[in-house]
Amino acid sequence: GQQVQQSPASLVLQEGENAELQCNFSSTATRLQWFYQRPGGSLVSLLSNPSGTKHTGRLTSTTVTKERRGSLHISSSQITDSGTYLCAMDQGGSAKLIFGEGTKLTVSS
Amino acid sequence: NAGVIQTPRHKVTGKGQEATLWCEPISGHSAVFWYRQTIVQGLEFLTYFRNQAPIDDSGMPKERFSAQMPNQSHSTLKIQSTQPQDSAVYLCASSLGGGVFFGKGTRLTVV
Repeated sequence: GQQVQQSPASLVLQEGENAELQCNFSSTATRLQWFYQRPGGSLVSLLSNPSGTKHTGRLTSTTVTKERRGSLHISSSQITDSGTYLCAMDQGGSAKLIFGEGTKLTVSS
Repeated sequence: NAGVIQTPRHKVTGKGQEATLWCEPISGHSAVFWYRQTIVQGLEFLTYFRNQAPIDDSGMPKERFSAQMPNQSHSTLKIQSTQPQDSAVYLCASSLGGGVFFGKGTRLTVV
């Protein structure tokens, strides 16, 4: 079954609104990582978070390992934030990443 | 730092032909990964190397896919007898224990 599930599948916001993206994983993860991808673009690493809360700029990642869930909060969204956000987990002992299907974010003016 | 470099960016092959994809990881990175991305399946792990040694190839279709890392500056993914279902974007990534850096990918189209 799907090891990493993301929700919502898509999200449409007005510029300036906040976004909350969810990630649930089905087995013990060492850490969660969040990536961003523009259509036709490469994957860009945003945050890597084993547990707790991490901030960078307008992004906040929260991981609750015991509950097998994580979230990415984007504050004051901008049009340039539009794209697909992917959550990935790695498991202890293996560096390979298991990806979710992504949340497609569209921010309009 | 040019990042992870993948060549070619686009490749079109006829069904049954062989395709070889190249990856140059970031200098000094000890781990190199190969992933495949399609609209239907999303991002799928294929294989990875650490210090040039193959560590985990659990995602590789065994019969026609093979990957090598002959030296620390490049890795290749070879697909023999390509099939239309092999059409995808193949992504290479490298890492030095922390963040993972992806290349721009090779879009393989099998016609």
